[in-house]
Amino acid sequence: DGGITQSPKYLFRKEGQNVTLSCEQNLNHDAMYWYRQDPGQGLRLIYYSQIVNDFQKGDIAEGYSVSREKKESFPLTVTSAQKNPTAFYLCASSIPLGGSTGELFFGEGSRLTVL
Amino acid sequence: QQPVQSPQAVILREGEDAVINCSSSKALYSVHWYRQKHGEAPVFLMILLKGGEQKGHEKISASFNEKKQQSSLYLTASQLSYSGTYFCGTEWAGGGADGLTFGKGTHLIIQP
Repeated sequence: DGGITQSPKYLFRKEGQNVTLSCEQNLNHDAMYWYRQDPGQGLRLIYYSQIVNDFQKGDIAEGYSVSREKKESFPLTVTSAQKNPTAFYLCASSIPLGGSTGELFFGEGSRLTVL
Repeated sequence: QQPVQSPQAVILREGEDAVINCSSSKALYSVHWYRQKHGEAPVFLMILLKGGEQKGHEKISASFNEKKQQSSLYLTASQLSYSGTYFCGTEWAGGGADGLTFGKGTHLIIQP
């Protein structure tokens, strides 16, 4: 079945460590996105990529980095520069539709906790 | 600038109707609606594009008032399965396919 796979589902990190969250899709979608979700805050866009080897900062990119070397993969690195990284991270993909992002297909998320 | 959703939370009895609103201070190109159950990923409900008609299927429908930059989601004869948090996601006019800006969500609880 086609879909988006995120790993790990749960991750614990010590302060000062970088961690990388994996996101793989087999939907053949060009566009991929990373969102962060905190209680009561909704989903906030970290980075997005509309095509391989290209990505753009979203609203809260500071302390994060991404790469898009393959169409199927869009990993997110949470660096030590991110001051409050404990959150639920969601990866999504889409086929843009008529100038719109189109329907977002989400992975099941990765919950990161900083100890 | 996140769109503003109202109400923040609503509790209904099964079979009652609900309306969830989403408003923006910027000119919108599209409004998207998603539902998320606790601990799960958001699930797509519908997209409303500027110039498009009201959307809906079965007992869930939505409207988009382009002049007021507002959208409303209508849940008719609610079912227990409708419980969850509803998010509107917006795109600005001229913004392109660069992701959605989501509201903070509306918590909907349906009681038997």
